[in-house]
Amino acid sequence: DTEVTQTPKHLVMGMTNKKSLKCEQHMGHRAMYWYKQKAKKPPELMFVYSYEKLSINESVPSRFSPECPNSSLLNLHLHALQPEDSALYLCASSQETQGAGTEAFFGQGTRLTVV
Amino acid sequence: AQKITQTQPGMFVQEKEAVTLDCTYDTSDQSYGLFWYKQPSSGEMIFLIYQGSYDEQNATEGRYSLNFQKARKSANLVISASQLGDSAMYFCAMRGRNSNYQLIWGAGTKLIIKP
Repeated sequence: DTEVTQTPKHLVMGMTNKKSLKCEQHMGHRAMYWYKQKAKKPPELMFVYSYEKLSINESVPSRFSPECPNSSLLNLHLHALQPEDSALYLCASSQETQGAGTEAFFGQGTRLTVV
Repeated sequence: AQKITQTQPGMFVQEKEAVTLDCTYDTSDQSYGLFWYKQPSSGEMIFLIYQGSYDEQNATEGRYSLNFQKARKSANLVISASQLGDSAMYFCAMRGRNSNYQLIWGAGTKLIIKP
């Protein structure tokens, strides 16, 4: 099973709303990632969790707040977003963060629209 | 600097023909991994194939093969007997120590299979 599950698939939120994106994997992977992807562009790394601890924050604005409650779950809490934050948000997992040969498996993504 | 270059923004291919998607890379790492991902319009990022820098054989996975030419720093994806379902965006990516083992992505190639 190489499945990473993301919910919701689509989300429309106002600039004053608070919402959360959820990601789950049951592959026993110890590394989980959030990416942001704009249309026709490659994904941009936002956050990396390794063994449930935040190991990389790519200077993401504080209106995005990640959380890793356990080794299978990853959340992204959203608050006071801007229209330019509208994008596809992808979650991924891999066995570990180190190692050149570690493939990452991605979820279906959440298409976020900020109005 | 780590860099992935995909020079074909878009390609049209007749169904059942073979197609080659180009990818060149630049790295000073001795050990690195090269990956190809497929992203249909639905948004999911699907892992296709992996090639390690020390692998002497070209990787193959079903209809996908990776034409790895280390001296030329190229890692082209070959899809044999293309199908309509192969229409998607394809990304080449690399991971190595100099990128802190995070994926470095190419700009992508949009492949359209014509019936």
